[in-house]
Amino acid sequence: ETGVTQTPRHLVMGMTNKKSLKCEQHLGHNAMYWYKQSAKKPLELMFVYNFKEQTENNSVPSRFSPECPNSSHLFLHLHTLQPEDSALYLCASTLRTGTGKFSTDTQYFGPGTRLTVL
Amino acid sequence: AQSVTQLDSQVPVFEEAPVELRCNYSSSVSVYLFWYVQYPNQGLQLLLKYLSGSTLVKGINGFEAEFNKSQTSFHLRKPSVHISDTAEYFCAVSAEGPSGSARQLTFGSGTQLTVLP
Repeated sequence: ETGVTQTPRHLVMGMTNKKSLKCEQHLGHNAMYWYKQSAKKPLELMFVYNFKEQTENNSVPSRFSPECPNSSHLFLHLHTLQPEDSALYLCASTLRTGTGKFSTDTQYFGPGTRLTVL
Repeated sequence: AQSVTQLDSQVPVFEEAPVELRCNYSSSVSVYLFWYVQYPNQGLQLLLKYLSGSTLVKGINGFEAEFNKSQTSFHLRKPSVHISDTAEYFCAVSAEGPSGSARQLTFGSGTQLTVLP
């Protein structure tokens, strides 16, 4: 148990559905991340939020829409996904310290949401 | 930009044998290096990290890694593995961008360690 929870743990959706993934951290962290983990590929960073403000969007398609209403919660809204979007979606959080020039801070990961798009 | 190469996608090893998981990185600037472990149906957990100082870093569960700047490597080792060490292991690097901007972690593609009885 790392203090980062994700719901749901499994999700099956059709290409025309709209769904949301939820991440919650109880660690007092100020930065949160969404990653995509596909089989046999490195983790792909999708979005980064610092103090509720989006600081990075790694060329993610607009069918993925993040939302960070406060520093403890992070959502990923999904709509009109494609089968190739099927993957494990991981949320992580960290406490950014210092000037933030280096990402030295340990990231704490949730268990992930296994998404299948039919 | 930095990149991470994990040379072995699968490493089977017998219980109580030593193991080394290899990681090489490329970056033109100073780096910080990490090893994470992912057990089945779980998220990633930090094993150890190198920021500065001694090049030999000790982590949890008896793992250690050695930073070798000249060979741009950060191999993970354990002298005697257990069945419970079966998991996927990820090497990651964080480096400063050329303009001094913040950079996030870049992960390797992972190495599946399977410990056999």
